[in-house]
Amino acid sequence: DSGVTQTPKHLITATGQRVTLRCSPRSGDLSVYWYQQSLDQGLQFLIQYYNGEERAKGNILERFSAQQFPDLHSELNLSSLELGDSALYFCASSAQGQGFFTYTFGSGTRLTVV
Amino acid sequence: DAKTTQPPSMDCAEGRAANLPCNHSTISGNEYVYWYRQIHSQGPQYIIHGLKNNETNEMASLIITEDRKSSTLILPHATLRDTAVYYCIVRPNNNAGNMLTFGGGTRLMVKP
Repeated sequence: DSGVTQTPKHLITATGQRVTLRCSPRSGDLSVYWYQQSLDQGLQFLIQYYNGEERAKGNILERFSAQQFPDLHSELNLSSLELGDSALYFCASSAQGQGFFTYTFGSGTRLTVV
Repeated sequence: DAKTTQPPSMDCAEGRAANLPCNHSTISGNEYVYWYRQIHSQGPQYIIHGLKNNETNEMASLIITEDRKSSTLILPHATLRDTAVYYCIVRPNNNAGNMLTFGGGTRLMVKP
């Protein structure tokens, strides 16, 4: 258990639908990052939140949005789903300590759009 | 972030040392070298990091050349469970909105 919790682990939905993926960061971590990994593709950065505020954006589609709540958990909302949105979605949290900076990833949510 | 170059795949015999190279010729003075790995469909896992000195922890050793333009991750006694994609990443050691940028990595296959 990495300390980063993602739910649900698996999600199957139809095209055109909307889903919400949830991430609880490690205790004390203020930053949350979302990544997408399509089949046989690399990890693509989507978006980062730091203490409730958007900090950085990657190649996130307009149909996707995210937010981080006061308790620091984050949600990634995917709407108007297309077949190509089928992928693993990972959340990571980060902290800085002992002079270095590491990310801890959750186990991911596998989204299948049919 | 500086770019890194890694071989797309490598094989290693179980019990032998796995040496994974990474080139980062445009690395800046304040950028660290980080290594992560991703075992099939799991979330990436932090392995080790370094700035300019060689580093060792319970998982691996990291050798960084004196000019910092390349590094090698060493798994001293590879096991079948070390089969994974290994990512070499360089980034500043700060929290100023800099995300980890993953390249293609090296797919390490440990064989019996």
